[in-house]
Amino acid sequence: DTAVSQTPKYLVTQMGNDKSIKCEQNLGHDTMYWYKQDSKKFLKIMFSYNNKELIINETVPNRFSPKSPDKAHLNLHINSLELGDSAVYFCASSQLRLAGEPPNEQFFGPGTRLTVL
Amino acid sequence: DQQVKQNSPSLSVQEGRISILNCDYTNSMFDYFLWYKKYPAEGPTFLISISSIKDKNEDGRFTVFLNKSAKHLSLHIVPSQPGDSAVYFCAASSAYSSASKIIFGSGTRLSIRP
Repeated sequence: DTAVSQTPKYLVTQMGNDKSIKCEQNLGHDTMYWYKQDSKKFLKIMFSYNNKELIINETVPNRFSPKSPDKAHLNLHINSLELGDSAVYFCASSQLRLAGEPPNEQFFGPGTRLTVL
Repeated sequence: DQQVKQNSPSLSVQEGRISILNCDYTNSMFDYFLWYKKYPAEGPTFLISISSIKDKNEDGRFTVFLNKSAKHLSLHIVPSQPGDSAVYFCAASSAYSSASKIIFGSGTRLSIRP
């Protein structure tokens, strides 16, 4: 009955490969996110979807493409993996923040550690 | 340009004493601040938050203080317990930014020693 789940937990792959990370939430939230935690430990927002529509798209290489088949899933596909893509990737979900309201609590998955060799 | 900074990567505190974790921010448009706690091999979990219209928010052993003029906030944990050993992320948000966007700091690893 995990609230936000990610698969796989660990991913080791060679440079140049294409890989996907899956995320699912069973909280009934309408907004989902992908974060990257790099070597400096900052958690940086990459993308956010609300009801399958992209609402946040930070400066991320276009090798990264999120896919949201429905509002409970937000998958991350990465093409032509590079060494610098090695990081921990976290998926999260929340209710959408309404204008003028405080941000809603974001619930995070356990993370996927990606290692590119 | 890191808008949320946690300058202490680690902190060690004796059990029962007060833990004080600090956070600085640069964007004066931030109007809501949050603390998340993270255990190894788990995702961050929400701990406590504060609106910019307040200077203090308390929840049990956890209190967050906000000093807007100094663009500084701190998380106080008292008394500190072994289960508090974790990484604590400070985060900030602006009503004027993209919907639901939160900016996180780099975290402070808190270790509670017996």
